[in-house]
Amino acid sequence: GAGVSQSPSNKVTEKGKDVELRCDPISGHTALYWYRQRLGQGLEFLIYFQGNSAPDKSGLPSDRFSAERTGESVSTLTIQRTQQEDSAVYLCASSLDFTYEQYFGPGTRLTVT
Amino acid sequence: RKEVEQDPGPFNVPEGATVAFNCTYSNSASQSFFWYRQDCRKEPKLLMSVYSSGNEDGRFTAQLNRASQYISLLIRDSKLSDSATYLCVSHVTMTGAGSYQLTFGKGTKLSVIP
Repeated sequence: GAGVSQSPSNKVTEKGKDVELRCDPISGHTALYWYRQRLGQGLEFLIYFQGNSAPDKSGLPSDRFSAERTGESVSTLTIQRTQQEDSAVYLCASSLDFTYEQYFGPGTRLTVT
Repeated sequence: RKEVEQDPGPFNVPEGATVAFNCTYSNSASQSFFWYRQDCRKEPKLLMSVYSSGNEDGRFTAQLNRASQYISLLIRDSKLSDSATYLCVSHVTMTGAGSYQLTFGKGTKLSVIP
């Protein structure tokens, strides 16, 4: 079946602009996660959605970052007033629920110039 | 203190060798574990889930030692295609959903040499 998809695959933006990244989870997966991975670094948790529960935003690095999820489907991660240190690959993952393994999308490579 | 620790490596091993990685975790409430592999500039892909004492899948064996709080991954008969970074993940099962309960290690890099 279809896996997790993300768009765009690459995004180059100027410092100070806002960007919106999209994630389509696997159908039926109630849990959705966003991570950031800088070059050569490990995964950095950003935000987690589980069903209709309030999202866990404890990983968001600043108030420039926000995310939404419509029901148990698409999620968007928005970065306002981008900075060069926001350059990274943003990975989305979904799982059947919070107890199960995650499946990752291919990521969005964000470059802030 | 890091919650999930892995030796970053790199582990450079010849083709056909057996290699093992250890991953230690600090949260004794961790109940399940996962190994992912991540190829260079690619997303992590699930390799193995470990819910009890261990799991085996072909050349790959994961073992869990709850007393010592570590999980290992053994790769037998290494192939060139096994070259990747291996991520260890612990999951803390809490009552109900709503809070993030996974901890990723930073990964161990494996290079299998011809």
